[in-house]
Amino acid sequence: GAGVSQSPRYKVAKRGQDVALRCDPISGHVSLFWYQQALGQGPEFLTYFQNEAQLDKSGLPSDRFFAERPEGSVSTLKIQRTQQEDSAVYLCASSPGTDTGGYTFGSGTRLTVV
Amino acid sequence: GENVEQHPSTLSVQEGDSAVIKCTYSDSASNYFPWYKQELGKGSQLIIDIRSNVGEKKDQRIAVTLNKTAKHFSLHITETQPEDSAVYFCAAIRTPGKSTFGDGTTLTVKP
Repeated sequence: GAGVSQSPRYKVAKRGQDVALRCDPISGHVSLFWYQQALGQGPEFLTYFQNEAQLDKSGLPSDRFFAERPEGSVSTLKIQRTQQEDSAVYLCASSPGTDTGGYTFGSGTRLTVV
Repeated sequence: GENVEQHPSTLSVQEGDSAVIKCTYSDSASNYFPWYKQELGKGSQLIIDIRSNVGEKKDQRIAVTLNKTAKHFSLHITETQPEDSAVYFCAAIRTPGKSTFGDGTTLTVKP
């Protein structure tokens, strides 16, 4: 596609529910990133994929967070047993290569846990 | 780990004036410094970036300067227009997996 597509745009979950957030990167982009952005703050790095390999997951806040990119294209960020502090905008970005630079962000998924 | 501080958090200017946003970083190994514009309901758009082997880069009304010694970089917008109003984020990136963003600057350009 022309840009990075994320779905859903908005998600309301009851505390304790599991959620799955989807990211469709730009076709052919090798690198894919997930970020968490709390209100009034900058994006915080969660995890990084190079093709299907998850090279860095140091930013995932707990073992309730899990990300995958099984075929090296679409990625899913899953949050189990959601808690109120998980409420944030989750941003996905992709880039064509493996070096720094050229990141294109999606519009994000706003998750609200009630 | 890397720490990025961005100032000011809010900035209000008159249309036509210049706006300057500054960021400092802590990790001297950071080598890529992008600036993003985030508008409500839209994705974050890369507006300009600079690598550590360059001191300044300009693209029409937007420029970025980098001082590696002092570990700070700045975004300069000249002849501001109301459509420049948005939240601007800086980032310092060392490797693809190590990217740290500032907390953003809300720029308001008054017509």
